[in-house]
Amino acid sequence: SQQGEEDPQALSIQEGENATMNCSYKTSINNLQWYRQNSGRGLVHLILIRSNEREKHSGRLRVTLDTSKKSSSLLITASRAADTASYFCATYGSSNTGKLIFGQGTTLQVK
Amino acid sequence: DSGVTQTPKHLITATGQRVTLRCSPRSGDLSVYWYQQSLDQGLQFLIQYYNGEERAKGNILERFSAQQFPDLHSELNLSSLELGDSALYFCASSVGVLHTEAFFGQGTRLTVV
Repeated sequence: SQQGEEDPQALSIQEGENATMNCSYKTSINNLQWYRQNSGRGLVHLILIRSNEREKHSGRLRVTLDTSKKSSSLLITASRAADTASYFCATYGSSNTGKLIFGQGTTLQVK
Repeated sequence: DSGVTQTPKHLITATGQRVTLRCSPRSGDLSVYWYQQSLDQGLQFLIQYYNGEERAKGNILERFSAQQFPDLHSELNLSSLELGDSALYFCASSVGVLHTEAFFGQGTRLTVV
Protein backbone atom coordinates (compact mmCIF):
# COMPACT_ATOMS: atom_id res chain seq x y z
CA SER A 1 0.00 0.00 0.00
CA GLN A 2 1.08 3.58 -0.51
CA GLN A 3 2.94 5.36 2.25
CA GLY A 4 1.26 8.64 1.40
CA GLU A 5 -2.38 9.23 0.55
CA GLU A 6 -3.49 12.51 -0.96
CA ASP A 7 -6.83 14.17 -0.53
CA PRO A 8 -8.76 15.20 -2.54
CA GLN A 9 -8.10 13.01 -5.56
CA ALA A 10 -9.19 15.81 -7.85
CA LEU A 11 -9.61 19.55 -7.42
CA SER A 12 -10.95 22.13 -9.84
CA ILE A 13 -10.64 25.84 -9.10
CA GLN A 14 -10.68 29.21 -10.84
CA GLU A 15 -7.54 31.14 -11.62
CA GLY A 16 -6.58 33.35 -8.72
CA GLU A 17 -8.05 31.05 -6.09
CA ASN A 18 -6.02 29.09 -3.58
CA ALA A 19 -5.64 25.32 -3.83
CA THR A 20 -5.10 23.11 -0.82
CA MET A 21 -4.25 19.46 -0.97
CA ASN A 22 -3.53 17.10 1.87
CA CYS A 23 -1.35 14.09 2.41
CA SER A 24 -1.44 11.47 5.13
CA TYR A 25 1.29 8.95 5.76
CA LYS A 26 1.65 5.89 7.92
CA THR A 27 5.10 5.60 9.46
CA SER A 28 7.61 7.91 11.09
CA ILE A 29 9.54 10.02 8.61
CA ASN A 30 12.71 12.04 8.28
CA ASN A 31 11.16 14.38 5.77
CA LEU A 32 8.20 14.70 3.43
CA GLN A 33 8.43 15.94 -0.13
CA TRP A 34 5.98 17.32 -2.65
CA TYR A 35 6.29 16.83 -6.38
CA ARG A 36 4.37 18.08 -9.41
CA GLN A 37 3.73 16.15 -12.60
CA ASN A 38 2.43 17.70 -15.76
CA SER A 39 0.47 15.27 -17.86
CA GLY A 40 2.64 12.37 -18.99
CA ARG A 41 5.87 14.06 -18.03
CA GLY A 42 8.47 13.51 -15.35
CA LEU A 43 7.90 14.59 -11.76
CA VAL A 44 9.41 17.83 -10.58
CA HIS A 45 10.47 18.32 -6.99
CA LEU A 46 8.69 21.27 -5.35
CA ILE A 47 9.62 21.35 -1.71
CA LEU A 48 11.01 19.23 1.12
CA ILE A 49 9.97 19.70 4.73
CA ARG A 50 11.90 18.00 7.51
CA SER A 51 10.24 16.26 10.42
CA ASN A 52 11.35 18.99 12.84
CA GLU A 53 9.78 21.73 10.72
CA ARG A 54 6.14 22.73 10.92
CA GLU A 55 5.85 25.06 7.98
CA LYS A 56 7.86 25.95 4.91
CA HIS A 57 7.37 28.45 2.10
CA SER A 58 8.63 28.56 -1.45
CA GLY A 59 7.22 31.28 -3.65
CA ARG A 60 3.46 30.69 -3.88
CA LEU A 61 3.77 27.33 -2.13
CA ARG A 62 3.22 26.79 1.56
CA VAL A 63 3.68 23.37 3.12
CA THR A 64 2.76 22.36 6.62
CA LEU A 65 3.64 19.20 8.47
CA ASP A 66 1.96 17.74 11.52
CA THR A 67 3.93 14.69 12.63
CA SER A 68 1.49 13.98 15.48
CA LYS A 69 -1.27 13.50 12.93
CA LYS A 70 1.05 12.10 10.26
CA SER A 71 -0.24 14.61 7.77
CA SER A 72 0.94 17.41 5.52
CA SER A 73 -0.76 20.00 3.39
CA LEU A 74 0.31 21.88 0.30
CA LEU A 75 -1.21 25.28 -0.35
CA ILE A 76 -0.80 26.97 -3.71
CA THR A 77 -1.84 30.59 -3.52
CA ALA A 78 -3.19 32.70 -6.40
CA SER A 79 -3.36 29.70 -8.72
CA ARG A 80 -2.59 30.05 -12.40
CA ALA A 81 -3.54 27.90 -15.38
CA ALA A 82 0.08 26.74 -15.48
CA ASP A 83 -0.42 25.13 -12.06
CA THR A 84 -2.70 22.55 -13.67
CA ALA A 85 -0.95 19.27 -12.89
CA SER A 86 -0.94 16.31 -10.53
CA TYR A 87 0.66 16.79 -7.13
CA PHE A 88 2.21 13.99 -5.12
CA CYS A 89 3.59 13.71 -1.66
CA ALA A 90 6.45 11.31 -1.04
CA THR A 91 8.30 9.92 1.95
CA TYR A 92 11.10 7.50 2.59
CA GLY A 93 9.19 5.88 5.41
CA SER A 94 10.72 4.51 8.56
CA SER A 95 12.99 1.90 7.06
CA ASN A 96 16.60 2.79 6.53
CA THR A 97 16.42 2.18 2.81
CA GLY A 98 16.05 4.38 -0.20
CA LYS A 99 12.47 3.37 -0.88
CA LEU A 100 10.92 6.74 -1.81
CA ILE A 101 7.21 6.08 -1.87
CA PHE A 102 4.62 8.29 -3.55
CA GLY A 103 0.96 8.73 -2.83
CA GLN A 104 -1.74 8.46 -5.46
CA GLY A 105 -1.69 12.19 -6.11
CA THR A 106 -4.15 15.06 -6.39
CA THR A 107 -5.08 16.22 -9.86
CA LEU A 108 -5.48 19.98 -9.89
CA GLN A 109 -7.23 21.82 -12.69
CA VAL A 110 -7.06 25.60 -12.75
CA LYS A 111 -9.59 27.14 -15.11
CA ASP B 1 15.64 20.00 -17.63
CA SER B 2 16.29 17.78 -14.59
CA GLY B 3 19.60 16.48 -15.89
CA VAL B 4 18.34 12.90 -15.87
CA THR B 5 18.25 11.31 -19.31
CA GLN B 6 16.11 8.35 -20.23
CA THR B 7 16.14 6.49 -23.50
CA PRO B 8 14.18 5.62 -25.48
CA LYS B 9 11.25 7.99 -25.01
CA HIS B 10 8.80 5.61 -26.62
CA LEU B 11 8.89 1.88 -27.15
CA ILE B 12 6.36 -0.37 -28.81
CA THR B 13 6.93 -4.09 -28.62
CA ALA B 14 5.08 -7.36 -28.76
CA THR B 15 4.08 -9.65 -25.92
CA GLY B 16 6.78 -12.08 -24.91
CA GLN B 17 9.60 -9.77 -25.96
CA ARG B 18 12.39 -8.28 -23.88
CA VAL B 19 13.35 -4.61 -23.73
CA THR B 20 16.01 -2.53 -22.01
CA LEU B 21 15.40 0.95 -20.69
CA ARG B 22 18.36 3.16 -20.02
CA CYS B 23 18.91 5.96 -17.54
CA SER B 24 21.76 8.42 -17.08
CA PRO B 25 21.57 10.18 -13.71
CA ARG B 26 22.43 13.80 -13.01
CA SER B 27 26.11 14.48 -12.79
CA GLY B 28 27.25 13.73 -9.25
CA ASP B 29 24.19 11.72 -8.23
CA LEU B 30 24.97 8.26 -6.91
CA SER B 31 21.40 6.96 -6.41
CA VAL B 32 19.13 5.80 -9.18
CA TYR B 33 15.48 4.86 -8.71
CA TRP B 34 13.10 3.15 -11.09
CA TYR B 35 9.33 3.65 -11.04
CA GLN B 36 6.43 2.29 -13.03
CA GLN B 37 3.41 4.52 -13.55
CA SER B 38 0.14 3.19 -14.87
CA LEU B 39 -3.36 4.62 -14.68
CA ASP B 40 -4.68 2.00 -12.29
CA GLN B 41 -1.58 1.49 -10.10
CA GLY B 42 -0.23 4.99 -9.74
CA LEU B 43 3.51 5.53 -9.28
CA GLN B 44 5.02 2.27 -8.11
CA PHE B 45 8.53 2.06 -6.70
CA LEU B 46 10.48 -0.72 -8.38
CA ILE B 47 14.08 -0.57 -7.22
CA GLN B 48 16.89 1.71 -6.06
CA TYR B 49 20.62 1.50 -6.60
CA TYR B 50 23.29 3.46 -4.83
CA ASN B 51 26.81 3.59 -6.23
CA GLY B 52 26.35 0.28 -8.03
CA GLU B 53 24.69 -1.62 -5.20
CA GLU B 54 21.01 -2.48 -4.84
CA ARG B 55 19.67 -0.63 -1.79
CA ALA B 56 15.91 -0.94 -1.86
CA LYS B 57 13.44 -3.12 -3.65
CA GLY B 58 9.74 -2.63 -4.21
CA ASN B 59 7.19 -4.91 -5.80
CA ILE B 60 9.35 -5.55 -8.81
CA LEU B 61 8.33 -8.56 -10.85
CA GLU B 62 10.78 -11.43 -11.29
CA ARG B 63 10.59 -10.78 -15.03
CA PHE B 64 12.13 -7.36 -14.38
CA SER B 65 15.72 -6.74 -13.43
CA ALA B 66 17.97 -3.74 -13.14
CA GLN B 67 21.58 -2.83 -12.61
CA GLN B 68 23.74 0.20 -12.12
CA PHE B 69 27.05 0.30 -13.91
CA PRO B 70 30.41 1.72 -12.74
CA ASP B 71 29.75 4.93 -14.67
CA LEU B 72 26.49 5.14 -12.64
CA HIS B 73 24.09 4.81 -15.53
CA SER B 74 21.38 2.26 -14.99
CA GLU B 75 19.37 -0.14 -17.09
CA LEU B 76 15.99 -1.70 -16.43
CA ASN B 77 15.39 -4.96 -18.24
CA LEU B 78 11.85 -6.14 -18.81
CA SER B 79 11.35 -9.62 -20.19
CA SER B 80 8.47 -11.90 -21.21
CA LEU B 81 6.43 -8.76 -21.63
CA GLU B 82 2.71 -8.82 -21.06
CA LEU B 83 0.00 -6.36 -22.06
CA GLY B 84 -0.22 -5.25 -18.45
CA ASP B 85 3.38 -4.07 -18.51
CA SER B 86 2.36 -1.16 -20.71
CA ALA B 87 3.13 1.92 -18.65
CA LEU B 88 5.38 4.90 -18.18
CA TYR B 89 8.71 3.94 -16.66
CA PHE B 90 10.57 6.67 -14.84
CA CYS B 91 14.10 6.88 -13.64
CA ALA B 92 15.11 9.32 -10.94
CA SER B 93 18.40 10.16 -9.31
CA SER B 94 19.56 11.77 -6.11
CA VAL B 95 22.81 12.61 -4.42
CA GLY B 96 22.35 10.44 -1.38
CA VAL B 97 20.85 7.07 -0.64
CA LEU B 98 17.88 8.45 1.30
CA HIS B 99 16.38 11.61 2.80
CA THR B 100 17.19 13.64 -0.29
CA GLU B 101 15.15 15.06 -3.15
CA ALA B 102 14.93 13.06 -6.35
CA PHE B 103 15.21 14.35 -9.88
CA PHE B 104 13.14 12.60 -12.52
CA GLY B 105 13.73 11.89 -16.16
CA GLN B 106 11.00 12.36 -18.74
CA GLY B 107 10.18 8.67 -18.77
CA THR B 108 9.92 5.89 -21.29
CA ARG B 109 6.44 5.10 -22.51
CA LEU B 110 6.26 1.37 -23.09
CA THR B 111 3.41 -0.07 -25.11
CA VAL B 112 3.10 -3.84 -25.33
CA VAL B 113 0.87 -5.04 -28.16
